[in-house]
Parts: sequence; C-alpha cells; structure tokens
Amino acid sequence: GAVVSQHPSRVICKSGTSVKIECRSLDFQATTMFWYRQFPKQSLMLMATSNEGSKATYEQGVEKDKFLINHASLTLSTLTVTSAHPEDSSFYICSAKIGQGDEKLFFGSGTQLSVL
Amino acid sequence: AQKITQTQPGMFVQEKEAVTLDCTYDTSDPSYGLFWYKQPSSGEMIFLIYQGSYDQQNATEGRYSLNFQKARKSANLVISASQLGDSAMYFCAMREGRWYSSASKIIFGSGTRLSIRP
Repeated sequence: GAVVSQHPSRVICKSGTSVKIECRSLDFQATTMFWYRQFPKQSLMLMATSNEGSKATYEQGVEKDKFLINHASLTLSTLTVTSAHPEDSSFYICSAKIGQGDEKLFFGSGTQLSVL
Repeated sequence: AQKITQTQPGMFVQEKEAVTLDCTYDTSDPSYGLFWYKQPSSGEMIFLIYQGSYDQQNATEGRYSLNFQKARKSANLVISASQLGDSAMYFCAMREGRWYSSASKIIFGSGTRLSIRP
C-alpha cells in the first residue's frame, strides 16, 4: 500500500517555541492531506484539510494562526505549531488520499508533541 | 451534532470468537463512504475495510466484514475468529461528499477498545 512518512515521531519543546511536523507521501502524489489531533484515549479530531497549492481549510475552533499548514507540493504537507504551550501537547497525525478510485486514507505514524 | 457514534467504549472477547463493533452515522449527503480503522498501542492507523453508500453488497476483507444497514444508518464491523493481535482501538469513520471533491473530509467516531482474552 501507499506510504506516508511523518516526522518527527516525537518532539519535546519548551513553551513559546515553534515546532514543525512534516508529512510526506513517498510513492504517490497526494492532492489532499488531512491533519488530525488525538488526545490520550480519545478519537481523532480533524484539524484541517490541506489541498496542494491552496490555503488549508480549518475546522471550526482550530486557530489557523496557531497551527500553520503548508502544502507546497504534491508530496509534502507541513504543520507548524507556533508559540507552543503545554495545552498543545497531543498526538498529531497526518493522512493523505490518492484521489479518485482509491477510497482509502493513508496515515502517517503520528507525532507525539510534548510542550514543557 | 455527533455524526459518527460508537456506543461501545470497551469490549472483551474470548479468542477465536466472532465480535461485532457497532457504528451508526448521520448524514444527509447521498454520497458517502464508511471506513473502519484499527489503532494498536503504537498509534499507527491501519485501514481495515471500506463501504461506499452506493455499494450493493456488504464489504469483506479477510476476517473483516462490514454489516451495512443503510436504512438504519449503521455500519457495524464484524471480526470473525478473533486473535490476540486484534486487541486495539477500533475507529469507525465517515467520508461526506464525493471522494474526488476537494471539500470531502473524513470524520471519526469515539472508538471502541477491543481486548481479546486468551
């Protein structure tokens, strides 16, 4: 199956710093990528939908100035958590869809962010 | 309003038994898709099965089958002959809108933690 690579897998940072998470589709072109956030023992909450070459569409309640999403190419989307605070600590996971004809979402392995 | 509902927060099943995980959904879009994903403790999301709203037959993938009851808006996952490795979180998810639409997105239910007893 298609592979989505997400880095880093774990990051610890100080409060006030910015953290960038990368999501790459390795063997396919991902026209659309999704970013989810997951708190311990809870479900995945959709944060935003990222289409290549256009601005991301954020879900209600997600601060777009806080969570910057860039989808500059068909194989790379990045999520930057700006001025991170302890409440931003969470598991972030990206996913990508190939397009018409393949209904599966392919997920990255996730990034555990801990803000001290 | 909750669009995907999984009413079983946790389940215990004896190894080799079949298990049904419940999922109900709510949408007014005639075109939608339903997914089941497995999330082991490692955190990765593993695709299990997909059912399109226009599919006439229930989807099957190996030991997994999806009991699609369109009128009841339910999409239960059935795992036959459960194995110890099936212990994980299971999420039901729904895509609203046509897949090729840039506006389509996938939302997840709250999940069911399945534990298989030896």
